[in-house]
Amino acid sequence: SQTIHQWPATLVQPVGSPLSLECTVEGTSNPNLYWYRQAAGRGLQLLFYSVGIGQISSEVPQNLSASRPQDRQFILSSKKLLLSDSGFYLCAWSAPGTDTQYFGPGTRLTVL
Amino acid sequence: QQQVKQSPQSLIVQKGGISIINCAYENTAFDYFPWYQQFPGKGPALLIAIRPDVSEKKEGRFTISFNKSAKQFSLHIMDSQPGDSATYFCAASMLTGGGNKLTFGTGTQLKVEL
Repeated sequence: SQTIHQWPATLVQPVGSPLSLECTVEGTSNPNLYWYRQAAGRGLQLLFYSVGIGQISSEVPQNLSASRPQDRQFILSSKKLLLSDSGFYLCAWSAPGTDTQYFGPGTRLTVL
Repeated sequence: QQQVKQSPQSLIVQKGGISIINCAYENTAFDYFPWYQQFPGKGPALLIAIRPDVSEKKEGRFTISFNKSAKQFSLHIMDSQPGDSATYFCAASMLTGGGNKLTFGTGTQLKVEL
């Protein structure tokens, strides 16, 4: 069966510090991968998606970037965090050619 | 064109009652409409999904009703239980060469009281 992992689970970072969040998927090959951000009490906003290694599409211009160095690994990064980057970051995957997305457990990021 | 509007923002239902959450979309190219359930501090979990060629889909106590002409769909939770207390999100997407990009509603916080 397929499993999606995210780490760390929680993170507190000062403004201006770098960020690296990791997402890995097990039990599937060539998944579509997605990064979402959820602000407190709000819906999910798609940040990035990837259909293959090294292929990244950005949905929202911002202070963040994404990379996919391996087939089942998706990384969300920032060089300098802003207060507005605080939120709940969710990674999701879907099988190629299918609609259903499966979400990971999320990372709670607080920027102080 | 990409918005999905969800209502109500919050909902309190008595145990055993029916919970109803509504969503409306604008983009007629959407062809997949899932509902997700999210508990505090957890990732969303797929609850049930429907395509526009079907007007209703039922899985256990959960039913999606879909009205293509009105561009609306709703989630009905029958015999609501305290364990159903969670935030529910509707979403819509269309499959493209770049995967399927979900557009989410803003969520409904459901509380089921004893």
